[in-house]
Amino acid sequence: KQEVTQIPAALSVPEGENLVLNCSFTDSAIYNLQWFRQDPGKGLTSLLLIQSSQREQTSGRLNASLDKSSGRSTLYIAASQPGDSATYLCAVEGGSEKLVFGKGTKLTVNP
Amino acid sequence: NAGVMQNPRHLVRRRGQEARLRCSPMKGHSHVYWYRQLPEEGLKFMVYLQKENIIDESGMPKERFSAEFPKEGPSILRIQQVVRGDSAAYFCASSPPPRGAADTQYFGPGTRLTVL
Repeated sequence: KQEVTQIPAALSVPEGENLVLNCSFTDSAIYNLQWFRQDPGKGLTSLLLIQSSQREQTSGRLNASLDKSSGRSTLYIAASQPGDSATYLCAVEGGSEKLVFGKGTKLTVNP
Repeated sequence: NAGVMQNPRHLVRRRGQEARLRCSPMKGHSHVYWYRQLPEEGLKFMVYLQKENIIDESGMPKERFSAEFPKEGPSILRIQQVVRGDSAAYFCASSPPPRGAADTQYFGPGTRLTVL
């Protein structure tokens, strides 16, 4: 059974800092891994999707890496801004079209 | 192209009543997924449907919960005889066919169910 863990559960940083969010998963037989953003009371926005054959994906100030063999992914956020404050969710798909989510990292960027 | 739509956004029910949650997928999407987010928990998969077919319901509680995606109209998640433990945010997602490893699921804003 796939399990996804995210560390830390919460993170508070000053504006402008670079930061790393961590995600680990127990079964390396994944189809893809995604990072989502969830704002309070809102739905999920897909940030980055890494296919199992890929090592990383980049979008603007965001970079996500995937090490399938060790069951780890990181989301790197450069030059953080207050607008980045949200909960970041990691999810893996094992080919059955259902996503398995971690509990998320709640990020607060202080101006 | 409108996103995934869910209604109602907030639903309050008393114990023992029925809750009906609706999801309209994005245009052209025929795959629908329902997830539940309990307080302080991550999202958990409930059911995966295609038009008129339940493909995977391995995450659905065995009793009181049912889902459908008819040929016409939205997908419905029905919870009968609600209990306080059903209070959660219910998210719907959709994706187009055929779906490959590079394709994401698009999520709606969720329905927040409160059982009094």
